[in-house]
Amino acid sequence: RKEVEQDPGPFNVPEGATVAFNCTYSNSASQSFFWYRQDCRKEPKLLMSVYSSGNEDGRFTAQLNRASQYISLLIRDSKLSDSATYLCVVIPSGSARQLTFGSGTQLTVLP
Amino acid sequence: DADVTQTPRNRITKTGKRIMLECSQTKGHDRMYWYRQDPGLGLRLIYYSFDVKDINKGEISDGYSVSRQAQAKFSLSLESAIPNQTALYFCATSDYSGTVLQETQYFGPGTRLLVL
Repeated sequence: RKEVEQDPGPFNVPEGATVAFNCTYSNSASQSFFWYRQDCRKEPKLLMSVYSSGNEDGRFTAQLNRASQYISLLIRDSKLSDSATYLCVVIPSGSARQLTFGSGTQLTVLP
Repeated sequence: DADVTQTPRNRITKTGKRIMLECSQTKGHDRMYWYRQDPGLGLRLIYYSFDVKDINKGEISDGYSVSRQAQAKFSLSLESAIPNQTALYFCATSDYSGTVLQETQYFGPGTRLLVL
């Protein structure tokens, strides 16, 4: 089983739609969680951290469910510019702090 | 100018050749990383360095070596390139400050490597 698993998609949604991605992680001691965004043929960039209490940044909402070991990303009112691959990132416990990346979920927002 | 730069951006080489990928950063971060990205596999950590005197193997270090020449420079070498090292390689820096939730990795633009 992969340490971090994501549905690869692709998710094709119309502009204005709400879309949600889930990501599961296998290490129950993981302590830090993030969503990164990667545009086609570009480098990943931090979208948002995921806090235990859940957090929101504009149209984006991230949630953490430690009991079920998954994190989610909700995008409301999708824009064409949201088209990208969304990478789930987990840092397991321990001092090394090596980020473990999911393989990404591809989103295409259609006009 | 970009904060994290990588050279070359694209490289084609032949099996058995030694090549070096270079990474420079102007962010002043101590932590630097090398990843490779393959379709369907996500990013995988090759090596990382928490300061100039600290080098650590990542998940997939076999066939690779690194050099941290200065705080701002971290190079990745393929001693004898093989076709399955064909991938997109990213360098990254981290602003980790000791707080669990306060860390962002900043990636360079990537180097596309093709080993024939």
